[in-house]
Amino acid sequence: KQEVTQIPAALSVPEGENLVLNCSFTDSAIYNLQWFRQDPGKGLTSLLLIQSSQREQTSGRLNASLDKSSGRSTLYIAASQPGDSATYLCAVLLPYGGATNKLIFGTGTLLAVQP
Amino acid sequence: DAGVIQSPRHEVTEMGQEVTLRCKPISGHDYLFWYRQTMMRGLELLIYFNNNVPIDDSGMPEDRFSAKMPNASFSTLKIQPSEPRDSAVYFCASSPRTGMVLPNEKLFFGSGTQLSVL
Repeated sequence: KQEVTQIPAALSVPEGENLVLNCSFTDSAIYNLQWFRQDPGKGLTSLLLIQSSQREQTSGRLNASLDKSSGRSTLYIAASQPGDSATYLCAVLLPYGGATNKLIFGTGTLLAVQP
Repeated sequence: DAGVIQSPRHEVTEMGQEVTLRCKPISGHDYLFWYRQTMMRGLELLIYFNNNVPIDDSGMPEDRFSAKMPNASFSTLKIQPSEPRDSAVYFCASSPRTGMVLPNEKLFFGSGTQLSVL
């Protein structure tokens, strides 16, 4: 059974600091991995999607890497800002019987960037 | 496009009552998903549809839960009768995936329905 774990569960950093969020998964047979952001009382917003054949994806100050063989992904946030404060979730897309696929979410990291 | 639209945003009801949650996916998206989020269990997939047809409902907790998608622009998740342990945030999401070869499309989430069953 695929399990997705995120460490740390919570993180508080001063504004301007670079930071890394970690995601690990137990089954390397994934189609892709996504990083989402969730603001309080809101839905999830997809930030980056990495295909299983890719090593990393970048969007602005965000960089996500994927190491399938070790079951790990990292989300790097450069020059953090208070507006980056949110919960960050990773999710892996698994093959799941026939023509269907299943997205398994991690436990999330609550990030607080202090001004 | 306005994105995935869910209603109501908040629902407070008493145990035993019927609850209906509504979702309008993004126009043109082939897939619609219902998720439940709690502190204890995180985000769980309840059911998803492809072209209005339920594909996988193995995540539906029990027979009290049912979901329908009568057309491409509307879906409902119904709980009857509701129980306090059903209290959670229920999210609807849609995906524009058009084929099975490369499942690389992103999921687009609604803002969720905060359900409280007293």
